[in-house]
Amino acid sequence: KNQVEQSPQSLIILEGKNCTLQCNYTVSPFSNLRWYKQDTGRGPVSLTIMTFSENTKSNGRYTATLDADTKQSSLHITASQLSDSASYICVVRGVGGGYNKLIFGAGTRLAVHP
Amino acid sequence: NAGVTQTPKFRVLKTGQSMTLLCAQDMNHEYMYWYRQDPGMGLRLIHYSVGEGTTAKGEVPDGYNVSRLKKQNFLLGLESAAPSQTSVYFCASSWGQGNTEAFFGQGTRLTVV
Repeated sequence: KNQVEQSPQSLIILEGKNCTLQCNYTVSPFSNLRWYKQDTGRGPVSLTIMTFSENTKSNGRYTATLDADTKQSSLHITASQLSDSASYICVVRGVGGGYNKLIFGAGTRLAVHP
Repeated sequence: NAGVTQTPKFRVLKTGQSMTLLCAQDMNHEYMYWYRQDPGMGLRLIHYSVGEGTTAKGEVPDGYNVSRLKKQNFLLGLESAAPSQTSVYFCASSWGQGNTEAFFGQGTRLTVV
């Protein structure tokens, strides 16, 4: 069964600290993996997308990594800010067309405290 | 830029009542989707549309119907609401599949009592 597992479920860090969120998936064959940020009461917004051939990609203070061999991805947040408080969702697309191939993780809820 | 707009934002229904959720996008996207988000679970696809006049079932379609009469609008209907349909509903749109990004609305929080 295609699954996307995220850890930890929730995380509290102090402003200015770094953190790393994990995403493990079993979706196969794999097409791409996208990280979304979802603020409370809002819809998800894309942060970055990782394709099969990419190992790391940065978007400002966000850096995503992908290991397609071990089926793992991480999202590293550097120098956290209060505005980083949100849920971060990992979404994996399988190969073969059809939007049913998009599998969402349950998300990691991050709280950044002053 | 409005992007994807959902109405209403909040709604409380009694069991057995019906309602329609409206999604409108102004990006001329071909693809539109309805998801539900429940605590501790990832978003699950209810129905989707690959173009005006087309609809298809997603992962959890039972109890819902949809229509895409106009390219910019995607309606989600609940004919006879049940407490199990208490959830947050998100509409999204994209111009294609593959690596294309889906843009989400702000969500509709529905409570069925």
